[in-house]
Amino acid sequence: DSGVTQTPKHLITATGQRVTLRCSPRSGDLSVYWYQQSLDQGLQFLIHYYNGEERAKGNILERFSAQQFPDLHSELNLSSLELGDSALYFCASSVDLSEQFFGPGTRLTVL
Amino acid sequence: EDQVTQSPEALRLQEGESSSLNCSYTVSGLRGLFWYRQDPGKGPEFLFTLYSAGEEKEKERLKATLTKKESFLHITAPKPEDSATYLCALSRTDSWGKLQFGAGTQVVVTP
Repeated sequence: DSGVTQTPKHLITATGQRVTLRCSPRSGDLSVYWYQQSLDQGLQFLIHYYNGEERAKGNILERFSAQQFPDLHSELNLSSLELGDSALYFCASSVDLSEQFFGPGTRLTVL
Repeated sequence: EDQVTQSPEALRLQEGESSSLNCSYTVSGLRGLFWYRQDPGKGPEFLFTLYSAGEEKEKERLKATLTKKESFLHITAPKPEDSATYLCALSRTDSWGKLQFGAGTQVVVTP
């Protein structure tokens, strides 16, 4: 158990819908990262927040957005969902810029 | 453009049969090279961070090494519980914690 929690574990929804994924980092970690893992793309970096501020963006679609709240938990919002958005979404946290500890993931299925 | 290439894609070992996994990389300004282990449907589990050429780290049956162009993960006398996908990732000095992952090596250890 890494200490990073993610909810929900599974999410099934339809195309065009909007969903919110939630992440709570390890106690004391100020950085939260979001990654997407699909069979054809592997594990891809989406976005990094540090103490509430956005610090880096990867190839994150405009339909996706994230934020980190004052209590340090983070949410990833995915809108206008498409079939290709089906994937595992992982949150990771770190105390500094060294090793990142990953949560168990949210499996998103878009039908 | 940064690249992380892992080989082989898959490896099947007999219990006790030692082997090595390769992670070759090209990057301008390497800050760290990371190894993770991932079980099916679960989040990556942190194993090692290597920061400079010549550095080595060990944990139980695993040993990671780093040169200026590649990293190796040596598995000594593997057991069936070492079966997993092993991922390497790099971060750049100017990337604020973004990890770029390789596609992984799927290792199966049979009794």
